[in-house]
Amino acid sequence: GENVEQHPSTLSVQEGDSAVIKCTYSDSASNYFPWYKQELGKRPQLIIDIRSNVGEKKDQRIAVTLNKTAKHFSLHITETQPEDSAVYLCAASRRGSSASKIIFGSGTRLSIRP
Amino acid sequence: DGGITQSPKYLFRKEGQNVTLSCEQNLNHDAMYWYRQDPGQGLRLIYYSQIVNDFQKGDIAEGYSVSREKKESFPLTVTSAQKNPTAFYLCASGAGTDLVQPQHFGDGTRLSIL
Repeated sequence: GENVEQHPSTLSVQEGDSAVIKCTYSDSASNYFPWYKQELGKRPQLIIDIRSNVGEKKDQRIAVTLNKTAKHFSLHITETQPEDSAVYLCAASRRGSSASKIIFGSGTRLSIRP
Repeated sequence: DGGITQSPKYLFRKEGQNVTLSCEQNLNHDAMYWYRQDPGQGLRLIYYSQIVNDFQKGDIAEGYSVSREKKESFPLTVTSAQKNPTAFYLCASGAGTDLVQPQHFGDGTRLSIL
């Protein structure tokens, strides 16, 4: 069935350095790719998303890139800060009718070292 | 203040007992979803509903049941047939039925076995 693989499962970076999280999807018809940030015990919150008609999207220190040929997309966080520590979830979805659903990756726990 | 309200925040289930998790939204969203989150496994879809009085099974529906009698409400019942119910349960809603839209999440219910 459809799946989304997310790597790495844990990531520790020095404050101020960059962090990159990568997801690979299996359904070539996927056309929407959101990223969520989830702090401990809290709800996932959308931080950035990208649609299949663009290759890159930026929002301040956060960017997402999409490679449709290779079926992978990545989250890039630059100039990391302590408040960036959280679990990050990627997801992929496609247009459809009764089969419409979003598939989530298994999450990456990002820790920022002071 | 629009959003998704889940209750209770914490819930304990006794052996052989059915318990119901509440999810209410005032975002006027058509689609609603229930996810289960276990450590290191991201979000897994239990059930989803794209319209009132209709719902579909997700990837791990066994041992769970739902209803969608009103647009605003999508309660999840964890039945005694679910042998490992301890998890963090998240309800979400989305504006579009084609799922090329971000999802909004509730704050979650943490269910444990007594």
